[in-house]
Amino acid sequence: GQNIDQPTEMTATEGAIVQINCTYQTSGFNGLFWYQQHAGEAPTFLSYNVLDGLEEKGRFSSFLSRSKGYSYLLLKELQMKDSASYLCAVSDSNYQLIWGAGTKLIIKP
Amino acid sequence: DTAVSQTPKYLVTQMGNDKSIKCEQNLGHDTMYWYKQDSKKFLKIMFSYNNKELIINETVPNRFSPKSPDKAHLNLHINSLELGDSAVYFCASSQAWGSGANVLTFGAGSRLTVL
Repeated sequence: GQNIDQPTEMTATEGAIVQINCTYQTSGFNGLFWYQQHAGEAPTFLSYNVLDGLEEKGRFSSFLSRSKGYSYLLLKELQMKDSASYLCAVSDSNYQLIWGAGTKLIIKP
Repeated sequence: DTAVSQTPKYLVTQMGNDKSIKCEQNLGHDTMYWYKQDSKKFLKIMFSYNNKELIINETVPNRFSPKSPDKAHLNLHINSLELGDSAVYFCASSQAWGSGANVLTFGAGSRLTVL
């Protein structure tokens, strides 16, 4: 079957760095997405990786290793507004998105 | 200008009733989706339409029926509502189907509570 695993919850301190991991087992691979979802709001797109390596976008970076079925989202200089759930999703061989259950990130002052 | 708008935002109703949720996108996208997000925050695809044609129809009770009158609209009708239907329903759209870099734009969600 197809599976996406990510930690349920993480806590970090304002100003620090946090890494949210995602491992996947899917039928084929056409890219991996990270979305951010604040409580009570819609998910919003953060990043897309299809080739191995690191993609940097401001304070957020996303890494992919296709051979290991592994990705992480790195958030630097954490701000209180980064408190949200972070969803990992993989596009499979049929271009269907397989979603993880999300990681709830709690930022403490 | 809201890119993907869905109405109503909140819906409280009794078991057994029939209700509809409407969705419209002004992004010119070809593909639209309905997702269900339950209390555990897991996003589950229900349906997807590409240019008004149904392309994804997951294992969803027949009480749920989508309708796409044109590629900018995708509505969801639910018959004989049950307690387990309580969830947040998200409409989303993407530029096209069949592309890996298929970024979804979500609506704000419709929170359905069945009493």
